[in-house]
Amino acid sequence: KAGVTQTPRYLIKTRGQQVTLSCSPISGHRSVSWYQQTPGQGLQFLFEYFSETQRNKGNFPGRFSGRQFSNSRSEMNVSTLELGDSALYLCASSFRGLGEKLFFGSGTQLSVL
Amino acid sequence: GDSVTQMEGPVTLSEEAFLTINCTYTATGYPSLFWYVQYPGEGLQLLLKATKADDKGSNKGFEATYRKETTSFHLEKGSVQVSDSAVYFCALSDRAANFGNEKLTFGTGTRLTIIP
Repeated sequence: KAGVTQTPRYLIKTRGQQVTLSCSPISGHRSVSWYQQTPGQGLQFLFEYFSETQRNKGNFPGRFSGRQFSNSRSEMNVSTLELGDSALYLCASSFRGLGEKLFFGSGTQLSVL
Repeated sequence: GDSVTQMEGPVTLSEEAFLTINCTYTATGYPSLFWYVQYPGEGLQLLLKATKADDKGSNKGFEATYRKETTSFHLEKGSVQVSDSAVYFCALSDRAANFGNEKLTFGTGTRLTIIP
């Protein structure tokens, strides 16, 4: 079956703009979580959505937001982009949540100029 | 808060050598522990997990034992292969410490290179 799909693969934006990233989970998975990966900070948890509701949240500012649709697809939005937002953004899906096996997508590489 | 401290890399070993990647954690609850692996050009994937003290996770010849007394979850493999070259991440998931807000906390990753 198809894996976790993230689009787009690459994005280039300028400071102050906003961006929306998309994640399609594995069919039947209801949990989608998002992560930021940078060389300096490593992998950091952003938030998790389950059945269209944000269930868990990491320590990121309110500029980072997300949503989940009824088909479990999820979007992440970053407003007022800063240079430090340049990173690989990963999403992962699972049947029930963070405590079980997560399936990761290949990520969206965001560059903020 | 929760934290994961992982052995600094990069680590370079010869094929068939014994591997240990150290991982220690800080958590106030009863976390689940994971090792994830990122092979070159591929996405992160779960290697193994353990959900309670003294549990041993194992997969593909890798093992890790949940040691509550030493707050550790070291990754081991008896004989590594070139195909094991990857970045390895230790992680924990802890709901109780965050008042029901569960987070997944990762270590910084250890890059492993196996030379033939």
